[in-house]
Amino acid sequence: AQSVTQLGSHVSVSEGALVLLRCNYSSSVPPYLFWYVQYPNQGLQLLLKYTTGATLVKGINGFEAEFKKSETSFHLTKPSAHMSDAAEYFCAVSEVYPGGYNKLIFGAGTRLAVHP
Amino acid sequence: NAGVTQTPKFQVLKTGQSMTLQCAQDMNHNSMYWYRQDPGMGLRLIYYSASEGTTDKGEVPNGYNVSRLNKREFSLRLESAAPSQTSVYFCASTPVGRVLEGYTFGSGTRLTVV
Repeated sequence: AQSVTQLGSHVSVSEGALVLLRCNYSSSVPPYLFWYVQYPNQGLQLLLKYTTGATLVKGINGFEAEFKKSETSFHLTKPSAHMSDAAEYFCAVSEVYPGGYNKLIFGAGTRLAVHP
Repeated sequence: NAGVTQTPKFQVLKTGQSMTLQCAQDMNHNSMYWYRQDPGMGLRLIYYSASEGTTDKGEVPNGYNVSRLNKREFSLRLESAAPSQTSVYFCASTPVGRVLEGYTFGSGTRLTVV
């Protein structure tokens, strides 16, 4: 079965600093990987996704993630944090089944705090 | 706006009471899911419906039942609520065969069982 580990349940950065949120996955097949963001009292919003091809994936709000097969990682980065980036971030891997339906397996989440 | 609609947004139950959480999507998606979100545990799958007419257990199904009423609607029922079911519940949907689109999530139901 596939699984996802997010290192660090809480990350705090200064405004303007680099954001790095770590995600490692386990999968016996080439994975589909996702990052979702959850702002306070809201649902989850897709930030970016990796399927095949280019290993550096760009998403919304200036975020990007790099798929590294050798490290089984899919870390999320942003060069310069903004106060509005404060949210909880979830890494997820997709299991695909015969018939085409899929299930998302989520990591435990990382809460990002951005301070002035 | 197109998307996933969950009702109610908030609910307080007494232990032993029952209730049904409603979910509807208008994107013609085949697959629908119920997750619960608890601090430090991420989202855990309760039940899912790969397509209309089918439902299956996920990771944490105990204490819950589901009904896929039609292609649009997927409800979650708590027959006898327990404090351990205090959580935020999310419904999601996705089209079959289009994994790359990811899931569309509702805004959640915040349930407290006292």
